[in-house]
Amino acid sequence: NAGVTQTPKFQVLKTGQSMTLQCAQDMNHNSMYWYRQDPGMGLRLIYYSASEGTTDKGEVPNGYNVSRLNKREFSLRLESAAPSQTSVYFCASNEGQAGSYEQYFGPGTRLTVT
Amino acid sequence: SQQGEEDPQALSIQEGENATMNCSYKTSINNLQWYRQNSGRGLVHLILIRSNEREKHSGRLRVTLDTSKKSSSLLITASRAADTASYFCATDENDYKLSFGAGTTVTVRA
Repeated sequence: NAGVTQTPKFQVLKTGQSMTLQCAQDMNHNSMYWYRQDPGMGLRLIYYSASEGTTDKGEVPNGYNVSRLNKREFSLRLESAAPSQTSVYFCASNEGQAGSYEQYFGPGTRLTVT
Repeated sequence: SQQGEEDPQALSIQEGENATMNCSYKTSINNLQWYRQNSGRGLVHLILIRSNEREKHSGRLRVTLDTSKKSSSLLITASRAADTASYFCATDENDYKLSFGAGTTVTVRA
């Protein structure tokens, strides 16, 4: 099992450009999550998908959109990138309720917006 | 908003020593989890403790939970160089949201 995979690993964007971060899991998990991690801070939840076909906002959703393409895949889109979105982005998945089951994390995408 | 806060922010110990870090949170929880993050990598789950549990062990890890004080501690015994990492506590804000603290960075010196 590959677990949770993310592409790309690194990306540099200019302000105003758009991009999609891809995430896939092969553990048949129901729930998937997108977080961002900034220096000196913990992870902050951007969006989550409790099950296929549903998505909900997390703590910091502004400037992002998501798509739960199927049970395996959950993508994060930046429509018009801003320097404040420079961060490391992590995708995670688990069987169900966030607190009740461990989350499995991908390796992260390091995004720099200039 | 971040529910959990770890203390200390950073910790440096000699190999073989024990490392203790604490997590405080604000609102009532069902479960609390601890994760480890090696530099440049994703988080890895270490242990989950439920609100009706007071202590849990996993190998060299010992986690305690005091719901009356809204706090948890993670003890790593007989530390090794491979334990050098950042450690995060995470609490369940609701059924589908985990709230992470800012983490404790542990450095184990050879």
